[in-house]
Amino acid sequence: AQSVTQLDSQVPVFEEAPVELRCNYSSSVSVYLFWYVQYPNQGLQLLLKYLSGSTLVKGINGFEAEFNKSQTSFHLRKPSVHISDTAEYFCAVSEDTDKLIFGTGTRLQVFP
Amino acid sequence: NAGVTQTPKFQVLKTGQSMTLQCAQDMNHEYMSWYRQDPGMGLRLIHYSVGAGITDQGEVPNGYNVSRSTTEDFPLRLLSAAPSQTSVYFCASSTSGTPNSPLHFGNGTRLTVT
Repeated sequence: AQSVTQLDSQVPVFEEAPVELRCNYSSSVSVYLFWYVQYPNQGLQLLLKYLSGSTLVKGINGFEAEFNKSQTSFHLRKPSVHISDTAEYFCAVSEDTDKLIFGTGTRLQVFP
Repeated sequence: NAGVTQTPKFQVLKTGQSMTLQCAQDMNHEYMSWYRQDPGMGLRLIHYSVGAGITDQGEVPNGYNVSRSTTEDFPLRLLSAAPSQTSVYFCASSTSGTPNSPLHFGNGTRLTVT
């Protein structure tokens, strides 16, 4: 069965510093991988997705993620964060077409 | 453009009461789903629908009913609320439910059962 592990529940970082949010998945078949962001009191919105092809995926707001099949990882990175990036970030995986399984989330807190 | 609209935003229920959480989308999406979000557990899929008249169970369906009589609406019913159903509920929709079509989320309904 598919599952997603986000190892860090909280990541504090200073503004303009780089950040990496970690995501590992388990699956016995090919997967599709996603990162969603949730700003306070809002629903989730898609940051980026990996379906196939290039393992480096670029998303909105300067974020990117790299799919690593051998390490079953899909870590999210940004070279320089802004205060407005403070939010909760969810990694998600899908094996078939109907169900998306989410990780437990990582709260990114950016300090001035 | 409204997108996915959830009502109410907040609700307090007593144990044993029933209620319906409303979800409507105006994007003509075939796929709709309900998630609950609990601290430290992420989002868990309750029920989903791939089109009008078709529904199926997700990871945590017990205690919840759904129906899909129209493409636009996908209400979630709690027949007899329990404190374990205290959570934030999100409705989401997409064009087809396939990975190529991203989920669009509503802003959530915060439910407290006392």
